[in-house]
Amino acid sequence: QKEVEQNSGPLSVPEGAIASLNCTYSDRGSQSFFWYRQYSGKSPELIMSIYSNGDKEDGRFTAQLNKASQYVSLLIRDSQPSDSATYLCAVMMDSSYKLIFGSGTRLLVRP
Amino acid sequence: DAGVTQSPTHLIKTRGQHVTLRCSPISGHKSVSWYQQVLGQGPQFIFQYYEKEERGRGNFPDRFSARQFPNYSSELNVNALLLGDSALYLCASSLVAGGHNEQFFGPGTRLTVL
Repeated sequence: QKEVEQNSGPLSVPEGAIASLNCTYSDRGSQSFFWYRQYSGKSPELIMSIYSNGDKEDGRFTAQLNKASQYVSLLIRDSQPSDSATYLCAVMMDSSYKLIFGSGTRLLVRP
Repeated sequence: DAGVTQSPTHLIKTRGQHVTLRCSPISGHKSVSWYQQVLGQGPQFIFQYYEKEERGRGNFPDRFSARQFPNYSSELNVNALLLGDSALYLCASSLVAGGHNEQFFGPGTRLTVL
C-alpha cells in the first residue's frame, strides 16, 4: 500500500464547474497536509495547507481534512482552463521533516 | 521578495560523471530540503538540512550527498551518475524544519544522464 494515494486521472470538468480532488494516506501519525499544483515542465507550487479536521477555504480553493478516515480533498470552484495541471497531495508526520507525495491527479478543465 | 533559486536550470552529463546542484532559499528561511522527481511521479525526499545540520535522509544511495552553508544555501552532489539519476531535482525552502512548516519549491534543475 502506498503511503499517499491519489487517482492519476485525468479528471475532466467543464469550465465553471467544481473540481474535486481526493487523497488518502496510510500513516495515522500524519499531522500536516498540503496541496501543490504543478504545471507541465514546472516545479510544484503550494496552494493550500491544512492541519486540523474540517474545511479551510482560500479564494476558489477549499481543502477538507478527515483524520479519522485518513482522507484529504481539494475542491476548486468555478474551474478555469488555467487550473489544468497536476495536483499533488503531500503529507508530513509531526515528528518528521519530509513531505511524502502522492503521484498526483491530472486535472483538465474544458473551455 | 525573491523565491527559491536553483542553478543550473538544465544539465546534461554522461554515466559515471559527478554533478553539483545549487540552491538558495527564501530570505529568512533556515531549512532546505532536496527532492527528486521522475516523470509521472511525485517528488521523492532525498535530504533535509536545518541550521547546517542534516535532519533527515531519504532512501537514496551514498552517491548522493549534500551540505548547507552558513548563509543557508545548499548543494546537492551526486557521484558516479547512472542513467536512472535522470530527473528533475527540486530544492524546497522552509522557515524551520518539520511540524506545520510549509515548503516552497524552486524551479528545479533538470538533469539528463546519457
